[in-house]
Amino acid sequence: SQTIHQWPATLVQPVGSPLSLECTVEGTSNPNLYWYRQAAGRGLQLLFYSVGIGQISSEVPQNLSASRPQDRQFILSSKKLLLSDSGFYLCAWSAYFRGQPQHFGDGTRLSIL
Amino acid sequence: DAKTTQPNSMESNEEEPVHLPCNHSTISGTDYIHWYRQLPSQGPEYVIHGLTSNVNNRMASLAIAEDRKSSTLILHRATLRDAAVYYCILVTGNQFYFGTGTSLTVIP
Repeated sequence: SQTIHQWPATLVQPVGSPLSLECTVEGTSNPNLYWYRQAAGRGLQLLFYSVGIGQISSEVPQNLSASRPQDRQFILSSKKLLLSDSGFYLCAWSAYFRGQPQHFGDGTRLSIL
Repeated sequence: DAKTTQPNSMESNEEEPVHLPCNHSTISGTDYIHWYRQLPSQGPEYVIHGLTSNVNNRMASLAIAEDRKSSTLILHRATLRDAAVYYCILVTGNQFYFGTGTSLTVIP
């Protein structure tokens, strides 16, 4: 069966510090991968998605970036965090075929001080 | 860029059916209709999806209007564990856009 791992579960970072969140998927090949952010009490905002190694589509201009160095690994990064980067970050995967369901990780709660 | 419209909140009595509506008047012929639900501090959980025909699974049923401009998620017997935010989204290619969803309260 397929599983998705996302870590850490919580993170507290000072303003201006770098960020690296990692997500890995097991049990499937060539998945579509996604990063979302959710502000408190709000819906999910799609940040990045990837259909293959090295292929990243950005949905929202910001100081975040994403990379996919391996087929089942997706990394969200920032060189300098802003207060507005606080939120609940979720990684998800879906099968390559169009229209297939997404499956989410447990999320990372990021607080910027 | 949410393309769906849902009520902000709904209430249901425990053990009664719940019909959660969703409008998607700009749906294209290749868009899939997906439903997810989210408990506090958790990632969304897939519930059901469809393209044109009604769908049933162990969690719920999805009724899609003939013109596909609206759909309804049906929980046949609401339980307290069904209290969550329910998202209806249109899936275009590989892109998923979530709106703010419907917060379902289940009354014991």
